[in-house]
Amino acid sequence: EVQLVESGGGLVQPGGSLRFSCAASGFTFSDHYMDWVRQAPGKGLEWVGRIRKKVNGYTTEYAASVKGRFTISRDDSQNSLYLQMDSLKTEDTAVYYCARMIHYGGVFYSDSWGQGTLLTVSS
Amino acid sequence: DIQLTQSPSFLSASVGDRVTITCRASQGINSYLAWYQQTPGKAPRLLIYAASTLQSGVPSRFSGSGSATEFTLTISSLQPEDFATYYCQQVKGYPLSFGGGTKVEIK
Repeated sequence: EVQLVESGGGLVQPGGSLRFSCAASGFTFSDHYMDWVRQAPGKGLEWVGRIRKKVNGYTTEYAASVKGRFTISRDDSQNSLYLQMDSLKTEDTAVYYCARMIHYGGVFYSDSWGQGTLLTVSS
Repeated sequence: DIQLTQSPSFLSASVGDRVTITCRASQGINSYLAWYQQTPGKAPRLLIYAASTLQSGVPSRFSGSGSATEFTLTISSLQPEDFATYYCQQVKGYPLSFGGGTKVEIK
């Protein structure tokens, strides 16, 4: 069974930093692109970013709202995905989900999601 | 950037009703669209990908159609467990984007 478990959530002051982890199991982690998606309280879903797999150079993509402040990385030996968040703003407050991507027809879809971890940015 | 507009934002329906949700893209995205279902406090669940392909394990009362800029998600006979919020997502180009969501509530 595919499992994704996020951790690392908490309360941070504006301008602070935090790192989320996503532990993967039940599938070959290294074979999959991975995304982060967030959801502010009472709001809709917002795509945060993506990391490709080793054969694609572990390259990344980011939403404009987080580019230059957030960094996605992965450790395939640990079956883990990370989201390093710096220069945090109050508008980054959200539940953050990691998601496994499946490849179909030349593009990728999120077929499995973690339960989410909450980031609160407040003074 | 590609914008997705869902309609309606909210709908009230009864068990057994046929429900249709529309997602319009600001530019053509071929069939590079997914639909997700989210219940309160839970992660989204993939229902449909490539506009019309049913994800494994999803009941056949869910169906998707459309291409280019207009897409629909149809629930043929609404069940109690279907009361949730539904989102479309385009995966054609970066940044990926979601529609604003459609909340389906019990009439």
